[in-house]
Amino acid sequence: DAKTTQPTSMDCAEGRAANLPCNHSTISGNEYVYWYRQIHSQGPQYIIHGLKNNETNEMASLIITEDRKSSTLILPHATLRDTAVYYCIVRTLSGYSTLTFGKGTMLLVSP
Amino acid sequence: ETGVTQTPRHLVMGMTNKKSLKCEQHLGHNAMYWYKQSAKKPLELMFVYSLEERVENNSVPSRFSPECPNSSHLFLHLHTLQPEDSALYLCASSSGTVGEIQYFGAGTRLSVL
Repeated sequence: DAKTTQPTSMDCAEGRAANLPCNHSTISGNEYVYWYRQIHSQGPQYIIHGLKNNETNEMASLIITEDRKSSTLILPHATLRDTAVYYCIVRTLSGYSTLTFGKGTMLLVSP
Repeated sequence: ETGVTQTPRHLVMGMTNKKSLKCEQHLGHNAMYWYKQSAKKPLELMFVYSLEERVENNSVPSRFSPECPNSSHLFLHLHTLQPEDSALYLCASSSGTVGEIQYFGAGTRLSVL
């Protein structure tokens, strides 16, 4: 699976949009971009995934650049409960699949 | 509530003890996973079971012994652990189909004294 690069930490004011970048310049054509987050002392939680089109669900939006070498996770109105480590993961799809977690981005949402 | 339940949530054990971690999923999934998360390190995949058959063992020491008696239950048997084995142990499950999402339990916080 391709390697990803994320900033170590980011800050965001409550109520503002949080934009978390991820670089995956070696991504191949059959690899998807997945985002998970992990709130302190809990298990990771799936957020969203996409291949090349932008995606939106009730939690977030995922913007993937046209060349697919980078993406941005957008939390449109961050709350204090969004404080967590956010992981960007690139992986192929298979019958069962494993996730390779990096260090992620620690997002701190402040009042 | 993710549908994946891990027990116990916290465990303290001595190096000579034998203990087991339990994971149960109520999602009808076919694949189950054990991950280890040590302090300040990324999550590491330990084992993968698909349809109750172990399909991946990520060079884990033999003092960790997984067991998957059916598709809903996964155990991690622990014996003669070392203090460096202290970590958060996470269980996950997935449907085993293409593009599936993994659902994680809350984890067991293990301390080895």
